Parts: sequence; structure tokens; C-alpha cells
Amino acid sequence: EAGVAQSPRYKIIEKRQSVAFWCNPISGHATLYWYQQILGQGPKLLIQFQNNGVVDDSQLPKDRFSAERLKGVDSTLKIQPAKLEDSAVYLCASSLQRVSGYTFGSGTRLTVV
Amino acid sequence: GIQVEQSPPDLILQEGANSTLRCNFSDSVNNLQWFHQNPWGQLINLFYIPSGTKQNGRLSATTVATERYSLLYISSSQTTDSGVYFCAVEKTSGSRLTFGEGTQLTVNP
Repeated sequence: EAGVAQSPRYKIIEKRQSVAFWCNPISGHATLYWYQQILGQGPKLLIQFQNNGVVDDSQLPKDRFSAERLKGVDSTLKIQPAKLEDSAVYLCASSLQRVSGYTFGSGTRLTVV
Repeated sequence: GIQVEQSPPDLILQEGANSTLRCNFSDSVNNLQWFHQNPWGQLINLFYIPSGTKQNGRLSATTVATERYSLLYISSSQTTDSGVYFCAVEKTSGSRLTFGEGTQLTVNP
């Protein structure tokens, strides 16, 4: 089966600019997650979707981060305006729960200068 | 929230050596996975193992859910095994996957 697709792979922006990331999960996976991984740390959940509804966004900095999942398939994560501390790898994952666990995409490495 | 502790934080091996990585978690879990993050940042799912033992080639994993720990065994290590190994747990089905801080493995030729 095709994996979780993410784009772009790399992005460099200046602080206060905006940026968007795209994710296409594995076909049939209803649950989609966005994780943030700061260098040297484990990934941390930003937001979880079940189909096109938000299940958990308790750790999403909502003053600058937003995410949507149109039609319960593709998802976009946006940061506006970006700060230096947003430099990280943004990972998208999808799951078919109770069957095979989570599958992660290759991630988008964001550098804010 | 649930706590996940991995040990050791760093491990350096010579090619051909065996190793054991440990993951302790603070509460009962519905899901436990082991991932390998390669130098390009890709998280590769090694095992989906909420309980029991599984083997895949030179790698095997055991989760003792009643005692809240999991072990990842790497035998006859190769330089391509280098990277960060993460343990991640999900307390209940549909809840968030919580990661440990990882074990940085370096295998020298």
C-alpha cells in the first residue's frame, strides 16, 4: 500500500511569515495526526482528526497554528506568523486503529530564520 | 498523562554486537509501537506490540503489559541500524500516541 505522503520536504522561512504543510494519509485510514518533533526530542502531538472532525487539539498553539482536514482525507497544517521556536520537523501520521498502529510520513523540516 | 521512559539514552556498539533497549511506561496501554528514525528523519514502524513477543529478522520485541515495560532486541548489529529508536504508547484506542525521548544507537564498523 502507498504510504503517508507529505510535502514539502524542506522549508526555510523568515520569522513572522506564514507556511503551510500538506498530508495525504493511507487510503482508508480514518484517523490522521500532526506531530511536531524538535531536534533531540520525541515527537509531540499537535492535533488529531477522526475523519474530518477534530478529536484532540489540546497541544496546538491556536494563536498561530491551524489545521483542517477536508472531506476526511487530505490535511493541511498552517503556521501564521512563524516564530524561531517553530523550527522543527512536522510529521503526519495515519492509523487503522486496533489493527496495525500508526504509519508516519517522511516529514517536513521547517527552519525559521 | 502517561509517562514513557527509554533507556539507555545513548548506545555505541561495534558491528556484530547484540543490544537490548528498554521502554517503561506509567499506565496500562492499548497500543505500543517501536520506531526507528533514520538519519533522514523518517520514522519507520518496527513493531506494533501491545503485548507478547514478535520477531522480524534480526530484531525482536517483547512487551510485558502487566509489568509496564517493553524490550527491543537487536542482534548482530549493522551500521545501517544506527539512528534513534523510539518507543510510543497509546493509553486507549483513539487517544494520542505518546513518545519516549528515544535511544540514540551508533553502530561502528
